[in-house]
Amino acid sequence: ETGVTQTPRHLVMGMTNKKSLKCEQHLGHNAMYWYKQSAKKPLELMFVYSLEERVENNSVPSRFSPECPNSSHLFLHLHTLQPEDSALYLCASSQAEGDGSPLHFGNGTRLTVT
Amino acid sequence: KQEVTQIPAALSVPEGENLVLNCSFTDSAIYNLQWFRQDPGKGLTSLLLIQSSQREQTSGRLNASLDKSSGRSTLYIAASQPGDSATYLCAVLYNDYKLSFGAGTTVTVRA
Repeated sequence: ETGVTQTPRHLVMGMTNKKSLKCEQHLGHNAMYWYKQSAKKPLELMFVYSLEERVENNSVPSRFSPECPNSSHLFLHLHTLQPEDSALYLCASSQAEGDGSPLHFGNGTRLTVT
Repeated sequence: KQEVTQIPAALSVPEGENLVLNCSFTDSAIYNLQWFRQDPGKGLTSLLLIQSSQREQTSGRLNASLDKSSGRSTLYIAASQPGDSATYLCAVLYNDYKLSFGAGTTVTVRA
């Protein structure tokens, strides 16, 4: 079992749907992250949580809503998405936020918005 | 802006040839630099992490060098194998703890 688990692996949704992505880490880390990876582009940081508090929100549209109920779980709630939101969404964790500790990534959720 | 550039975007080599992947960054005030591997549709797997005080790191057939003054890192993969086919990403952690990724180099090793 990988240290960071993401579900579902694939998701197809219409623009009017509401869905959620889930991430769980089994590494005892205190920081969790959501990244967006679009084709041929660098990873874009979306949200950072440290000890369950959001510490960074990189100008992400409000149709993306994160939730971190505890240090092991992270959600990304999606609603009224656009086709350009289709991408690979990656969750990561690290020992702490802002101390240079390496990131550990999940396998991602491939999202397609139709 | 703290940009990270990886050139070329794609590379195809015959099996057995050594691979040389380049990463350049615009700001020399870095904390560390990390190389990742990504298989299609999968997440990122960390390969090597070089602290700013180090010049290189080695793991098996992989060797990564770091030259802060010129803003470059190079990942060498010796005696490439078809199983090395993947996308390789470079990530730079700057002293302000902002992490910037390159877009990656997609490698194909032909049998």
